[in-house]
Amino acid sequence: EAGVVQSPRYKIIEKKQPVAFWCNPISGHNTLYWYLQNLGQGPELLIRYENEEAVDDSQLPKDRFSAERLKGVDSTLKIQPAELGDSAVYLCASSLGGHSTGELFFGEGSRLTVL
Amino acid sequence: GDSVTQMEGPVTLSEEAFLTINCTYTATGYPSLFWYVQYPGEGLQLLLKATKADDKGSNKGFEATYRKETTSFHLEKGSVQVSDSAVYFCALKGAGGTSYGKLTFGQGTILTVHP
Repeated sequence: EAGVVQSPRYKIIEKKQPVAFWCNPISGHNTLYWYLQNLGQGPELLIRYENEEAVDDSQLPKDRFSAERLKGVDSTLKIQPAELGDSAVYLCASSLGGHSTGELFFGEGSRLTVL
Repeated sequence: GDSVTQMEGPVTLSEEAFLTINCTYTATGYPSLFWYVQYPGEGLQLLLKATKADDKGSNKGFEATYRKETTSFHLEKGSVQVSDSAVYFCALKGAGGTSYGKLTFGQGTILTVHP
């Protein structure tokens, strides 16, 4: 069974440019998460979807970040315009429902470098 | 809100040494507790979990016991190997209120095992 797939794995852009990351979760997983991981720190939740609905986006900087999951499967995370401080790894994860005991399965992440 | 605190690293051990990585948490209700591991160049993967008080999670020789009285979930292994070198993250999944279903991570502990 395929795991969580993310692309691109690496992206280098100049500040003020836009960037987008794509995530394909494990088949059948209706809960999808985007996390931000800065160097030397633990992942921090940006947004969580239950099917198409964003049920927790309280940590998403909405002035420059946006996300969508139009058909309840794949998801895209966009940053426009990117800033130097956005350099980090963006992780996508999925799980079987958002209940409190289930594990999350993570992709390998998309590493963003903003110059 | 929920939070997880891990012992500061990095931790450096010789092969066959005993390992303890401390983890304490703050949460409302009865969260589920997890240890995730990130090997060099790979994505986060679940190491073990415990979903209720006094449960012991175990995998690959690692163990952790859910201690509600001390709000702790310390990771232990009796004899580490070079292949255990990785970053270890303690995490909790909220069980109530606005934290329900949300996975919150500690800052991670880097483990290096020398032959």
